[in-house]
Amino acid sequence: DTEVTQTPKHLVMGMTNKKSLKCEQHMGHRAMYWYKQKAKKPPELMFVYSYEKLSINESVPSRFSPECPNSSLLNLHLHALQPEDSALYLCASTPSSGVSNEQFFGPGTRLTVL
Amino acid sequence: GDSVTQMEGPVTLSEEAFLTINCTYTATGYPSLFWYVQYPGEGLQLLLKATKADDKGSNKGFEATYRKETTSFHLEKGSVQVSDSAVYFCALSSGGSNYKLTFGKGTLLTVNP
Repeated sequence: DTEVTQTPKHLVMGMTNKKSLKCEQHMGHRAMYWYKQKAKKPPELMFVYSYEKLSINESVPSRFSPECPNSSLLNLHLHALQPEDSALYLCASTPSSGVSNEQFFGPGTRLTVL
Repeated sequence: GDSVTQMEGPVTLSEEAFLTINCTYTATGYPSLFWYVQYPGEGLQLLLKATKADDKGSNKGFEATYRKETTSFHLEKGSVQVSDSAVYFCALSSGGSNYKLTFGKGTLLTVNP
């Protein structure tokens, strides 16, 4: 299995809702990432987990809460989002946090906040 | 800090034309360099990579050479196809940035039949 999967593919939520995004990989990768991508822009890093511990938080608002229950799974819990949080949310993984390792990206979750 | 500069798009070509997308970088240490491609409605896919100076990455007819002296990693393809229409991102990873990927702004390529 050489892919990163993300669910759901699309999500529409109101500003008072609580929802979660899920990311899974079975490549034995030990570093996992959450990115936010707005239209016509490059991905922006949000969080990095290394060996299931949060190692980087790019000053992301607390309405985004990441969780790494095990080495294969990464969640992003969403609460009280704003319309400007509408974007494509990408998950990625890499064998370890080494400089030469490419990141493998999932297909993304397209989030719309009403 | 690390940065990547890509040529501004959009780029529009006819099928079988030659493609060059310029990419230059600034980084601490010895970065690894990547080209990612994003097809409409999809995530990013690694197209090719190079991890040290003078390395040439290649895949699906695309090539890029890691030039340390000019801090460049230009993407080339000799004959583009309609199916190459996508957004192309140049990126780097260096120890100085805790192995994060630093992306260029992306270049939209449209290939017409």
